[in-house]
Amino acid sequence: QVQLVQSGAEVKKPGASVKVSCKVSGYTLTELSMHWVRQAPGKGLEWMGGFDPEDGETIYAQKFQGRVTMTEDTSTDTAYMELSSLRSEDTAVYYCATQKYSSSHFDYWGQGTLVTVSS
Amino acid sequence: QSALTQPRSVSGSPGQSVTISCTGTSSDVGGYNYVSWYQQHPGKAPKLMIYDVSKRPSGVPDRFSGSKSGNTASLTISGLQAEDEADYYCCSYAGSYVFGTGTKVTVL
Repeated sequence: QVQLVQSGAEVKKPGASVKVSCKVSGYTLTELSMHWVRQAPGKGLEWMGGFDPEDGETIYAQKFQGRVTMTEDTSTDTAYMELSSLRSEDTAVYYCATQKYSSSHFDYWGQGTLVTVSS
Repeated sequence: QSALTQPRSVSGSPGQSVTISCTGTSSDVGGYNYVSWYQQHPGKAPKLMIYDVSKRPSGVPDRFSGSKSGNTASLTISGLQAEDEADYYCCSYAGSYVFGTGTKVTVL
């Protein structure tokens, strides 16, 4: 059973960056493909990007390219998502979600991290 | 990549069946058998209910079923129960991933 535990809520000013972490237990990061999905208040789910095991690279949704960086520390089984140049529209709950290799669905989800962007 | 289109809301009485549609294009829903469905209760993380169009993860009741025809996928909940009241999202692989607009299921 995979468990994902995310870092706590953040409040940031416009123009700043935020880095959210997601600690994996039950599996190691090398056995999983990690993705990030966000949900603005009262809105739907939006895929931001994730690891593509076929290419061995992280792919990002076009909307976030140049502004988001997803990294992993396999020594601690922790994944990170950093979003820069924050604006008010980035206020959302950010989720990490995993895929097992060779699958195309998200089996397990973190509890979510609320990021509030406000001056 | 545009969001997949779902009805904003559907409702049914306990014991009835409801079906949620998820319409995309030949580049996403119609092009791959990689449609998944997620249930989300208020304030909670999404939960996987259906994957690869029609497969159920272990632990998901068999009241939940999925199908696809052309560019439209569907989730059917049979024998609706009070705890099924939630938001439901479809998701399709498309080289990247795209989610649906979401459907609120209300149990009358």
